Amino acid sequence: DAKTTQPNSMESNEEEPVHLPCNHSTISGTDYIHWYRQLPSQGPEYVIHGLTSNVNNRMASLAIAEDRKSSTLILHRATLRDAAVYYCILRNSQGGSEKLVFGKGMKLTVNP
Amino acid sequence: EPEVTQTPSHQVTQMGQEVILRCVPISNHLYFYWYRQILGQKVEFLVSFYNNEISEKSEIFDDQFSVERPDGSNFTLKIRSTKLEDSAMYFCASTQGADYGYTFGSGTRLTVV
Repeated sequence: DAKTTQPNSMESNEEEPVHLPCNHSTISGTDYIHWYRQLPSQGPEYVIHGLTSNVNNRMASLAIAEDRKSSTLILHRATLRDAAVYYCILRNSQGGSEKLVFGKGMKLTVNP
Repeated sequence: EPEVTQTPSHQVTQMGQEVILRCVPISNHLYFYWYRQILGQKVEFLVSFYNNEISEKSEIFDDQFSVERPDGSNFTLKIRSTKLEDSAMYFCASTQGADYGYTFGSGTRLTVV
């Protein structure tokens, strides 16, 4: 499984933007970049995913480097509810039933 | 927004007993998964299921585990003879396929005593 590298933790302030980095230097051309988050005592929650182009949805934006070896999840205005463990995961597009492989993720703390 | 539903939310069972964890994936999803998370540890893959058969299983998914999609809507995980180390949160997930996100349920907390 292709691997990603994330900081162990980050802190942000409420109502400010926060940029969560992820390195994936061994990414292949058919790997999607997925982001999930897990709030305390809950299941993982889908945030966003992309292949090559930057992506926006109601939750966040995903900025993908031109060489695809890194990406950044952008929360435009952090709220207390965004405090969670964030997982950056590569998911190969060639296998329909391909599993997600979770690492340790990155704990985001949002200060009021 | 469509949800993956898991029942029960919490199950306590005695060691050696059989348990069945139930999941209702999103109706137009094709691929189904079970994961588990032991307290304080990573989310671990157990098994994937597509077209009424197992696509892949992890080393954790030994002969004590089985999955079934009995009626086209439910997706179940059975543990035949539970052990203390099976105590964990079990998450069901589903997806439409390669270019889609995965939707996870809120989990079943299994406690084996």
